Amino acid sequence: RKEVEQDPGPFNVPEGATVAFNCTYSNSASQSFFWYRQDCRKEPKLLMSVYSSGNEDGRFTAQLNRASQYISLLIRDSKLSDSATYLCVVNNAGNMLTFGGGTRLMVKP
Amino acid sequence: DVKVTQSSRYLVKRTGEKVFLECVQDMDHENMFWYRQDPGLGLRLIYFSYDVKMKEKGDIPEGYSVSREKKERFSLILESASTNQTSMYLCASSPLWETQYFGPGTRLLVL
Repeated sequence: RKEVEQDPGPFNVPEGATVAFNCTYSNSASQSFFWYRQDCRKEPKLLMSVYSSGNEDGRFTAQLNRASQYISLLIRDSKLSDSATYLCVVNNAGNMLTFGGGTRLMVKP
Repeated sequence: DVKVTQSSRYLVKRTGEKVFLECVQDMDHENMFWYRQDPGLGLRLIYFSYDVKMKEKGDIPEGYSVSREKKERFSLILESASTNQTSMYLCASSPLWETQYFGPGTRLLVL
């Protein structure tokens, strides 16, 4: 079983739609969690950290469920520019990050 | 703004060549990392460093070595390149215990 699992997609959604991605992690001792965004042929960039209480940044909402060991990312009112691959990232110890394989989102006009 | 730069965006080498990939960060970060990214496999950690002259193996160190002589610079070395090392190589840096910032990546093709 992979340490961090994501549905690779692609998720094809129309502009304005709401879309949600889930990610599961296997290490119950994992300490911190992130969503990164990666555009085609570019480097990953931090989208947002995920806090136990859940957090929101504009149209993006991230939630953590420690009991079930999953993380979610919700995108409201999708824009064409949201098209990218979204990487779920888990910090297990120190500053060692484990990356999921990514979920590809394609927002269509 | 954090800046992480990598010496080349694209590189073509022949099997058996020694390959140097360099990474420089300008934010005085303690930690630096080298990953490779392959379709279907995601990002995999090759080596990392918490301090100058310090290095630790990641998940897939075989066939690679690293060097960190100065805090801002972390080099990845392929001693004898092989075709299965064709990949996208990403360098990252971070302050202690915080998130990582990536360079633009180097696409390496080994023929």
